[in-house]
Amino acid sequence: EVQLVESGGGLVKPGGSLRLSCAASGFTFSSYSMNWVRQAPGKGLEWVSSISSSSSFIYYADSVKGRFTISRDNAKNSLYLQMNSLRAEDTAVYYCARVGSTGTLFDYWGQGTLVTVSS
Amino acid sequence: QSALTQPRSVSGSPGQSVTISCTGTSSDVGGYNYVSWYQQYPGKAPKLMTYDVSKRPSGVPDRFSGSKSGNTASLTISGLQAEDEADYYCCSYAGSYSWVFGGGTKLTVL
Repeated sequence: EVQLVESGGGLVKPGGSLRLSCAASGFTFSSYSMNWVRQAPGKGLEWVSSISSSSSFIYYADSVKGRFTISRDNAKNSLYLQMNSLRAEDTAVYYCARVGSTGTLFDYWGQGTLVTVSS
Repeated sequence: QSALTQPRSVSGSPGQSVTISCTGTSSDVGGYNYVSWYQQYPGKAPKLMTYDVSKRPSGVPDRFSGSKSGNTASLTISGLQAEDEADYYCCSYAGSYSWVFGGGTKLTVL
């Protein structure tokens, strides 16, 4: 069974940093691209960042470019999101999501981890 | 990237059909046949319902169907059931390995 479990969320002050993790199991992690998608309270989904299976290709939404860094460790079946210079508008539930084999959909999602940026 | 445009809410009675629209541009919805739809219950993770415009993953009832015309994609749910009451989000590939989501539509089953 495919499982994605996020962790690392919490309360952080504006300008602070946080590192999110996503532990994957039930599939060959190193064969799939992965993404982070966030959802602000009461709002819609927003794509944040993508990383290819071998980390060769990495992309970010304009809203986080230069502040967030996505990475993965295929040996540990883990995905990460380093978030720096956090702003109030980064407050959201952050989901990790697997890109399906066609490369055009998100077929499995974690349960999410809440990041709150507030003084 | 601007979010795709969805109606904020739709409603229907059990057994009826409802259609949720998702309007983008030629750079996303209109440019690729890579539109997917996700169902989300409050406090839960999104679930894939359709992908590549009109394909359905295994396990998703055939009451859910997707389509696209120009820059607008649609999700139609036929034979509405109480369990279909949820939020629905469209998503389109937008080039350069990026994606854009819609603002979400709340479906109410009357």
